[in-house]
Amino acid sequence: RKEVEQDPGPFNVPEGATVAFNCTYSNSASQSFFWYRQDCRKEPKLLMSVYSSGNEDGRFTAQLNRASQYISLLIRDSKLSDSATYLCVVSSGGYQKVTFGTGTKLQVIP
Amino acid sequence: DAGVIQSPRHEVTEMGQEVTLRCKPISGHNSLFWYRQTMMRGLELLIYFNNNVPIDDSGMPEDRFSAKMPNASFSTLKIQPSEPRDSAVYFCASSSQTGWRGTSTDTQYFGPGTRLTVL
Repeated sequence: RKEVEQDPGPFNVPEGATVAFNCTYSNSASQSFFWYRQDCRKEPKLLMSVYSSGNEDGRFTAQLNRASQYISLLIRDSKLSDSATYLCVVSSGGYQKVTFGTGTKLQVIP
Repeated sequence: DAGVIQSPRHEVTEMGQEVTLRCKPISGHNSLFWYRQTMMRGLELLIYFNNNVPIDDSGMPEDRFSAKMPNASFSTLKIQPSEPRDSAVYFCASSSQTGWRGTSTDTQYFGPGTRLTVL
């Protein structure tokens, strides 16, 4: 089993739709969780951290379920500019070694 | 702040040649990461340094790969000899972490990457 698993997609959704991605992780001792966004031929950039209590940033909501070992990202009112690959990131260990998922591709269509 | 700087941005070389990738982390960051990204394998962590010391190099594919961080503002990733299967985008990232027992959630900031093609 991979340390971090994501559905590669692509998810093709119309503008204005709500879309959700899940990501599962295998190490129950994982401590920190993030969602990164990567545009085509660009570097990954932090979208948001994921806290145990869940957190929201505008149209984006991230949730963590430790019991089932998954994190989720919900995007409401999708915009064309949301088209990108979304990478799930899990960090564990004293030195915060991070593991990236292979990403979920989102394409928002007009 | 200039962000993480990587050079070269593009590198085309022939099989068997030595390749050196360079990275300048964000000033004040004490952790540096080298990643490789391919379509097939996604983003893979190769090695990371904390306070210039290599902490985990288990992701380095084989002995042909080596990385150094002689000081807090510079790191290199060397491939010698290079092979076509090394073709990928290599990213360097830096972050400010609280130390080996820290639970820092500090962000990793990525450089623009070096696109390596080995013919």
